[in-house]
Amino acid sequence: NAGVTQTPKFQVLKTGQSMTLQCAQDMNHEYMSWYRQDPGMGLRLIHYSVGAGITDQGEVPNGYNVSRSTTEDFPLRLLSAAPSQTSVYFCASSQTGTLDRELFFGEGSRLTVL
Amino acid sequence: DAKTTQPPSMDCAEGRAANLPCNHSTISGNEYVYWYRQIHSQGPQYIIHGLKNNETNEMASLIITEDRKSSTLILPHATLRDTAVYYCIVRVGSDMRFGAGTRLTVKP
Repeated sequence: NAGVTQTPKFQVLKTGQSMTLQCAQDMNHEYMSWYRQDPGMGLRLIHYSVGAGITDQGEVPNGYNVSRSTTEDFPLRLLSAAPSQTSVYFCASSQTGTLDRELFFGEGSRLTVL
Repeated sequence: DAKTTQPPSMDCAEGRAANLPCNHSTISGNEYVYWYRQIHSQGPQYIIHGLKNNETNEMASLIITEDRKSSTLILPHATLRDTAVYYCIVRVGSDMRFGAGTRLTVKP
């Protein structure tokens, strides 16, 4: 049981490049989400999904796209990377349907945009 | 904005109980209080959660006041490995929003 798997763990981009951060979970969780964490700060919610085909915006969605075509995968796309998107990105998942479920986090993807 | 208020930092002596407070004065009746911690730059780790009653597990105890406007996370015997940032979260609908948390430093 791998839990929540994020790839890549490290990435360096140039301004304007695009890339996709991958997130996969093998726990059959309906709910998945993406957070970013800047140095010395807490996590901020980017996008989340309560099930396949359903996505919604969090606190800081600008500059990011998501899709949820399967229950297992929730990729985060940066269409035109900017230095302000340099951050550590965490994917998380949980069962849904009620508010009584814990989040399971991946190990993070560290992105640097030059 | 996060619906919780926590002190930015606290210290605790090794072996002593660590009591981390959290204020959530605008909590609604069906919203749970969750606690997570983050060690170094790892992904946050779930600790405990509760609705109305006090809760205890192998990691910690959660004390929620009767009016549910505040809570306290208790680590009964803090160790050096408990040094981390602790987040108190009130779950709002389908998403979970983290604030800045409390940086707990356990000292020898």
